[in-house]
Amino acid sequence: DSGVTQTPKHLITATGQRVTLRCSPRSGDLSVYWYQQSLDQGLQFLIQYYNGEERAKGNILERFSAQQFPDLHSELNLSSLELGDSALYFCASSGRTGYGYTFGSGTRLTVV
Amino acid sequence: GQNIDQPTEMTATEGAIVQINCTYQTSGFNGLFWYQQHAGEAPTFLSYNVLDGLEEKGRFSSFLSRSKGYSYLLLKELQMKDSASYLCAGMDSNYQLIWGAGTKLIIKP
Repeated sequence: DSGVTQTPKHLITATGQRVTLRCSPRSGDLSVYWYQQSLDQGLQFLIQYYNGEERAKGNILERFSAQQFPDLHSELNLSSLELGDSALYFCASSGRTGYGYTFGSGTRLTVV
Repeated sequence: GQNIDQPTEMTATEGAIVQINCTYQTSGFNGLFWYQQHAGEAPTFLSYNVLDGLEEKGRFSSFLSRSKGYSYLLLKELQMKDSASYLCAGMDSNYQLIWGAGTKLIIKP
């Protein structure tokens, strides 16, 4: 157990739908990062939050959005889903300087 | 721009030694990370180098040369369970990790 909790582990949904993925960071970590990993592809950085504020943005589609709540958990919202959005979505957390950068076990999203 | 380069795939034999190279270009530098990722699983931390030289941790060692923008991960006494992707990532001046595409390591008996 890495200490980073992601739910759900698996999600199957239809095209056009909207889903929410949840991440609870390790105790004490203020930064949360979201990544997308399609089959046999590298990690694609989506977005980072630090203590409730957006810190950095990667290749995140406009159909996707995220937020970090006062209790530091984060949610990634994916809307108008397409078949190509099927992927593993990872959350990671760290301290301010990236110390202890640790991944959750991921959510496998399948869009049918 | 920022960039991390590493080979796409490597093959090695069980019991042997393999070296996975990584070259990096980042805006500022706050260290070089190596992660292991088995298929369908989360990346797990292997090593962190911020100073030049070799860091040894059991069967795995990692080397860094800041002047050359170069690192390698050395895996000794390879086991079948070492078959995985190995991700190199450089941390820039904003403490953001810049990821390579990963090296898929195939271990043959």
